Amino acid sequence: DSGVTQTPKHLITATGQRVTLRCSPRSGDLSVYWYQQSLDQGLQFLIQYYNGEERAKGNILERFSAQQFPDLHSELNLSSLELGDSALYFCASSASPGQGGETQYFGPGTRLLVL
Amino acid sequence: GEDVEQSLFLSVREGDSSVINCTYTDSSSTYLYWYKQEPGAGLQLLTYIFSNMDMKQDQRLTVLLNKKDKHLSLRIADTQTGDSAIYFCAEIGPGGSYIPTFGRGTSLIVHP
Repeated sequence: DSGVTQTPKHLITATGQRVTLRCSPRSGDLSVYWYQQSLDQGLQFLIQYYNGEERAKGNILERFSAQQFPDLHSELNLSSLELGDSALYFCASSASPGQGGETQYFGPGTRLLVL
Repeated sequence: GEDVEQSLFLSVREGDSSVINCTYTDSSSTYLYWYKQEPGAGLQLLTYIFSNMDMKQDQRLTVLLNKKDKHLSLRIADTQTGDSAIYFCAEIGPGGSYIPTFGRGTSLIVHP
């Protein structure tokens, strides 16, 4: 158990809908990362937050957004869903990137199926 | 940009040693990681090595780093069926974002 929690574990929805994925980092970790894993694209970095602020952006679509709250949990919002958004979405956390706390610990993931 | 390459599959017999290889392009990598992903699960951190080290051993796992050739390997001694999983290599460079670059993963299949 990495200490990172994600909810829900599974999500089935229809095209055009909007969903919210939730992540709680390990106790004491300030940074949260979101990844998308699909068979054809592998593991793709989406976005990073550090202590409530956006730190880095990867291959995140404009239909997707995220935020990190004062209690450090994070939410990833996916809107206008398309079939191709079906994937595993992982959250990871790290202590303090750039200060020796770069190692990321991953949550169990949310499996999203868009029908 | 940075790139991390791994072979896609490795098949070994139970009890043998497995060696999973990884090459990377960023010569300034500071940390290199191995993660394990079992079916339907998240990525589990197995081990990591700092770029100023050549080798790290942790029970059945041995990580070897050849900085000159930018080659990282993970050796699993006495491989068991429970080791069947996808193994991801990842590296972090010294840039500002500290976002790891992941390989596509190597599927390790252990057969009796």
